[in-house]
This record gives sequence, C-alpha cells and structure tokens, in this order.
Amino acid sequence: QKEVEQNSGPLSVPEGAIASLNCTYSDRVSQSFFWYRQYSGKSPELIMSIYSNGDKEDGRFTAQLNKASQYVSLLIRDSQPSDSATYLCAVKKFRGGSQGNLIFGKGTKLSVKP
Amino acid sequence: GAVVSQHPSRVICKSGTSVKIECRSLDFQATTMFWYRQFPKQSLMLMATSNEGSKATYEQGVEKDKFLINHASLTLSTLTVTSAHPEDSSFYICSARDQVDEKLFFGSGTQLSVL
Repeated sequence: QKEVEQNSGPLSVPEGAIASLNCTYSDRVSQSFFWYRQYSGKSPELIMSIYSNGDKEDGRFTAQLNKASQYVSLLIRDSQPSDSATYLCAVKKFRGGSQGNLIFGKGTKLSVKP
Repeated sequence: GAVVSQHPSRVICKSGTSVKIECRSLDFQATTMFWYRQFPKQSLMLMATSNEGSKATYEQGVEKDKFLINHASLTLSTLTVTSAHPEDSSFYICSARDQVDEKLFFGSGTQLSVL
C-alpha cells in the first residue's frame, strides 16, 4: 500500500460547483496533513494545513480530517477556472528513516469548466 | 508568506557537464531544506534532506556522489548535478521548512534539460 494515495483524476466540475478531493494515508499515527496546489510547470504552493479531526475552513477551501478512517479531503466551493490545477496531499512522516519529512501523494488533477 | 528563491529556473546543458542549482529562503531561516525531482505527470520524489552545517541525508536509490548537496548557511542550499546525462533531465524543486512552524515552502523549480 502506498503511503499517501489520491485518485489521479482528472476530476472535472462546472464553474460554481463544489470540487471534492480525497486522500488516504497508511501511517495511522500521522499528525500533520497538508494540501498543496500545483499549476503545470510550476512548484507547489501551500493551501491548507490541518492537524485535528474535523473541518477547517479558509475562504472557499475546507479541509476535512478523519484520523479513524485515515482520510483527509479538500473541498473547494464556488469552483473557478483558475482553480484548475493538480492538488497534492502531503502527510508528515512519523516513522522510518525520513521521519519528519512530508510524503506526497501523486496528486489529483482538477479541471473547472466555464 | 514565506518566500523561497530557486535559481536558475531553466537550464540546458550538454551531457557530461555539471549544473548547480541554488535554493534560498529569503525571509526566514531554514535549518532543513529538501530537494525533490519531478518527472512529467509524476508526483514529487524526495531526493535528499539538506541539513545546515552537516551532511545531507539521501533517499534510497539517489546517488550522493552524483547529486552533491551543500547547505552552508541557514538560508542557502545548493544542489549540483555532476556529469549530467539525458536521463537526469527533470524538474528539480527545493523546499525549506520554517523553523517557527512545520510549514514547507517551495522554490519555483528548475527545469533541467540535458542534451
């Protein structure tokens, strides 16, 4: 099982709709979770971080964390064409040689159609 | 927000030459910086962790003699791709971890093309 898994997509939603991006992780004791947005040919930029179970809202973005299910999601409300990008889920590694480093999923490509 | 500067943004070189990429944290100190490689349509793959004042820690399968990392100060890490070959062509990205919190900030990336 991969450490961080995401559906590669592409996920296509109409403008104004809610986009839902999902991520699962394998290390049950992980504590820190991050969502990054990456436009094609550019480096990732941090959108949200979440550390506790429940929801965390920031503008049009809501991160949801369920540690019991080892599941973290990102909701984008009122999706805009400019939201079209690849969204990377990252989990801070708790065990092993790279402890403390972030492990990235492969990313979900989101396409928002006007 | 925190800014990480990476230079150059694009480099084209001949096979056998060496290429140096710089990564600077502009408004915060970073004892730890990371170097990633990303092939087209693939995720970020961590290559090595750069620690200020000590040797870098390389991930399994990454040749330390080929990818030389130097972290001479709290704001600068360099990655040198030695004797580059076409298979080293990739998008190289650095990141720096803010000492105040756990957030990771990325440089703008370097597209390396080896002819």
